[in-house]
Amino acid sequence: DGGITQSPKYLFRKEGQNVTLSCEQNLNHDAMYWYRQDPGQGLRLIYYSQIVNDFQKGDIAEGYSVSREKKESFPLTVTSAQKNPTAFYLCASSIDSRPTDGYTFGSGTRLTVV
Amino acid sequence: AQSVAQPEDQVNVAEGNPLTVKCTYSVSGNPYLFWYVQYPNRGLQFLLKYITGDNLVKGSYGFEAEFNKSQTSFHLKKPSALVSDSALYFCAVTGRRALTFGSGTRLQVQP
Repeated sequence: DGGITQSPKYLFRKEGQNVTLSCEQNLNHDAMYWYRQDPGQGLRLIYYSQIVNDFQKGDIAEGYSVSREKKESFPLTVTSAQKNPTAFYLCASSIDSRPTDGYTFGSGTRLTVV
Repeated sequence: AQSVAQPEDQVNVAEGNPLTVKCTYSVSGNPYLFWYVQYPNRGLQFLLKYITGDNLVKGSYGFEAEFNKSQTSFHLKKPSALVSDSALYFCAVTGRRALTFGSGTRLQVQP
């Protein structure tokens, strides 16, 4: 089955530590996205990539970094500069940058600072 | 810039009754509008979309939505609610860069 796989499902980060969230898709989609979900705030766009080797900042990119070296993969690194990283992180993809078909979402990673 | 508003944090309805989850949007040009549903600790699942054409859009699980251009609304509806419909619902609109989502509405269907 085609889809998006996010791992791990749960992640714990210590203060000052960088962590990387994995996102892999086998849908042959060009565009991929990272969103952050906090209670009562909906989804906020962190980064997006419309094509391999290119990515753009979203609304809340500070303290995060991404790479897009392969079409299938769009990992998100939460750096120590992100002061409040506890949240649910969602990865999504679309066929291209004009998402008339909407997005396919992964199951999410819940990140907690300990 | 595009935006979406979901004015109700929570909607409560009895099983078997009709349900409506409200969404209004603001966007320049013609909007592409979507509804997604989220179950606990899961990603979002696509329900339906409006791109162009008929104002009444039918989607998954018996849901439908009515596009109203004059009121800039895209309300989600279902004629008869099920307990299993209880979840978090998001309205979204296509923006210049990516989909912009509303804050979500929690639907609680009581048996």
